[in-house]
Amino acid sequence: EAEVAQSPRYKITEKSQAVAFWCDPISGHATLYWYRQILGQGPELLVQFQDESVVDDSQLPKDRFSAERLKGVDSTLKIQPAELGDSAMYLCASSLAQQGNEQFFGPGTRLTVL
Amino acid sequence: DAKTTQPNSMESNEEEPVHLPCNHSTISGTDYIHWYRQLPSQGPEYVIHGLTSNVNNRMASLAIAEDRKSSTLILHRATLRDAAVYYCILVIRGNKLVFGAGTILRVKS
Repeated sequence: EAEVAQSPRYKITEKSQAVAFWCDPISGHATLYWYRQILGQGPELLVQFQDESVVDDSQLPKDRFSAERLKGVDSTLKIQPAELGDSAMYLCASSLAQQGNEQFFGPGTRLTVL
Repeated sequence: DAKTTQPNSMESNEEEPVHLPCNHSTISGTDYIHWYRQLPSQGPEYVIHGLTSNVNNRMASLAIAEDRKSSTLILHRATLRDAAVYYCILVIRGNKLVFGAGTILRVKS
């Protein structure tokens, strides 16, 4: 069964360092999402791509976070510089483009900022 | 974004049915009702979704009130592997999911 792949699974970094997360969606899924989940809360959408274009990044802290999906397939989320409050699970999901379709989530990257 | 209200937690016995309620009184005519669940240390997993009519799949059933202001996720026979956080989400234009805190379901053996 096709799955969303994410790497690394775990990342420990010091504050002010740069970190990057990678996501490979299910083949053929045009829509890709990055979420952040703080412990004890539900996931929060950071950015949504339709193919290579950003369609929603209203909750992305643009002073330090960036996301790209250059060829409309895999995607990278970067944080520079990392802050203590960025410690969270970063989840990637993908879906077919139409509204109402289910989203398939990857296993996530657990980030710890020291 | 339209909001949903769910109980913080619920408890069920193994092999018994579970009814997880969700209120969404501000739902609009084009909002889909989605349910996802998140097992410990995993990403969320799609369970079921519907618009107006009740829906059934291999995982669960979704009962939607006639006025669409509430819905209930039904697990017909809970197992220990169903212990998870269950999220009721209204999906608006663009397929955007807005997660709340969800309901923590505990299943007792």
